[in-house]
Amino acid sequence: SQTIHQWPATLVQPVGSPLSLECTVEGTSNPNLYWYRQAAGRGLQLLFYSVGIGQISSEVPQNLSASRPQDRQFILSSKKLLLSDSGFYLCAWSLELRQPQHFGDGTRLSIL
Amino acid sequence: GQQLNQSPQSMFIQEGEDVSMNCTSSSIFNTWLWYKQDPGEGPVLLIALYKAGELTSNGRLTAQFGITRKDSFLNISASIPSDVGIYFCAGHTVWETSGSRLTFGEGTQLTVNP
Repeated sequence: SQTIHQWPATLVQPVGSPLSLECTVEGTSNPNLYWYRQAAGRGLQLLFYSVGIGQISSEVPQNLSASRPQDRQFILSSKKLLLSDSGFYLCAWSLELRQPQHFGDGTRLSIL
Repeated sequence: GQQLNQSPQSMFIQEGEDVSMNCTSSSIFNTWLWYKQDPGEGPVLLIALYKAGELTSNGRLTAQFGITRKDSFLNISASIPSDVGIYFCAGHTVWETSGSRLTFGEGTQLTVNP
């Protein structure tokens, strides 16, 4: 069966520092991968999605970027974090575009 | 952009009671999904609805996809304490070969009193 892993679970970073969050999926090939941000336990907002290695689509302009260096690896990055980047970041995968997305357990990011 | 209106925002019920929540949208979606999220964890898929008018059950959960593809409801029967959490509806939009997006409602916080 497929599993998704995100790390770290929690992260506290100072303003202006870089960021790298990692997400990996096991048990499948060529998954569609997604990064979401959730504020205050409410609705999720799609940040990036990828349908293949090196293919990244951005949904909203922001201080973040995403990369997919390997088939089952999705990375969320920032060169300089802002206070507004705080939140709960969730990675998700789906087998095909029409199939439901399944989420990891998220990374709680706090910016000081 | 697409928006989902989910209601109610919160519910406080007694164990054993039935629960109903719903979502409406001004946009049409290919698929409608219901997720549950526990504190500090990612959302877990409960039910997926693919056809307009479809009624689907998963144990004590029942959900329906509206005929117009713009709304859905989720019912939970005979609630138990472990039903506590935030329930999200999500509309699924697919662009053939290029990507897909989930548009989420703002969630319904469910509290079940023993």
